[in-house]
Amino acid sequence: EIVMTQSPVTLSVSPGERATLSCRASQSVGNNLAWYQQTPGQAPRLLIYDMSTRAPDTPDRFSGSGSGTDFTLTISSLQSEDFAVYYCQQHDKWPRTFGPGTKVDVK
Amino acid sequence: QVQLQESGPGLVKPSETLSLTCTVSDGSIGDSYWSWIRQPPGKALEWIGFIRFDRNPTYNPSLSSRLTISLETSKNQFSLNLRSMSAADTAVYYCARLGRCSLGHCHPDHWGQGALVTVSS
Repeated sequence: EIVMTQSPVTLSVSPGERATLSCRASQSVGNNLAWYQQTPGQAPRLLIYDMSTRAPDTPDRFSGSGSGTDFTLTISSLQSEDFAVYYCQQHDKWPRTFGPGTKVDVK
Repeated sequence: QVQLQESGPGLVKPSETLSLTCTVSDGSIGDSYWSWIRQPPGKALEWIGFIRFDRNPTYNPSLSSRLTISLETSKNQFSLNLRSMSAADTAVYYCARLGRCSLGHCHPDHWGQGALVTVSS
């Protein structure tokens, strides 16, 4: 099973600032990496898949990059609705596995 | 807009079997892959498995010995049965449609609201 790790655990950012979240896979997953956003009490929401393809409702301030084992989610200018927990997930091998999450909160 | 709704018990005794059903609102159950994903309280998400009407279900190997996922197209439902439940299975269980497909991989684009299942005597 591929183990996903994320850093930092918590990221404190002011509205309007840029946020950079990291994700690492225990072995190469190519570009088969997705990002999800989850707010309290809600189901996760798919933001990005195939490392950098935004889902239809994902604003363009969200961008994904990286390859192989190291990936980044960048939020260019944080809006109030972006404060949430973000999970990366590899979709290269079954079982698909998620990282432990990064919480983005208000600085 | 497709909607999904989980139903089942909120409390299960240790060693018993959990049965959850996901009802799909718009009759599209024959067109997509359907999945179960769970999240223990305060922890990360875990894929349980997925199914499509014309394929055998695929299970997470860590759960496969206790797990059955099935589809009932006439009722627009799919179900999860997880046997020999323990406290480690306490989680919010989500059903989801894997409707966003690209390069041979499909991703969840619609989710149920989640059903909290607690394992306790």
